[in-house]
Amino acid sequence: EPEVTQTPSHQVTQMGQEVILRCVPISNHLYFYWYRQILGQKVEFLVSFYNNEISEKSEIFDDQFSVERPDGSNFTLKIRSTKLEDSAMYFCASRGGTGTDTQYFGPGTRLTVL
Amino acid sequence: GQNIDQPTEMTATEGAIVQINCTYQTSGFNGLFWYQQHAGEAPTFLSYNVLDGLEEKGRFSSFLSRSKGYSYLLLKELQMKDSASYLCAVRDINTGGFKTIFGAGTRLFVKA
Repeated sequence: EPEVTQTPSHQVTQMGQEVILRCVPISNHLYFYWYRQILGQKVEFLVSFYNNEISEKSEIFDDQFSVERPDGSNFTLKIRSTKLEDSAMYFCASRGGTGTDTQYFGPGTRLTVL
Repeated sequence: GQNIDQPTEMTATEGAIVQINCTYQTSGFNGLFWYQQHAGEAPTFLSYNVLDGLEEKGRFSSFLSRSKGYSYLLLKELQMKDSASYLCAVRDINTGGFKTIFGAGTRLFVKA
């Protein structure tokens, strides 16, 4: 069964450093998402991406965040200057085209900012 | 804005039935999802409702009433492995149909 994959599984970084989290969505899917989940808290929407552009973003997704689909398979989330409060699990999700409503989540990247 | 409410915790006995409720407020409802999440893992899709009524899938069923802004997830023949958080999530078409908002989740403990 196809699945969403994410790398790395765990990323440790120093405050102020840039990080790039990588995702490979399911191959024929058209809609891509990033969510984050701070430990013990709820899953929070960050951004959705369709047709090579951001379709929606939340208040969390400020100028420090950016997303890119550099090729036909990868979908990345970049945090330019990490803060302590960016420490969380980051989940990538994808869903198919029209009429395919299920989002499938990747296993997540645990980001720890020291 | 959007708001989703679900109980924080529930406890049930192995083999029993449990119902997890979810109420929501949204201006442009476009579907409700239930996900299961084990600690430290990603959410796993369980069900999707966009029309009123009951959707059954094995031991899991989900119900939706759009007029009441209400859904429930019904788990039958509970097993120990069902101990997890259950997340209610709503998609809002007013946001372009792309944004899915999650509730805080209901942590279910299944005891022997």
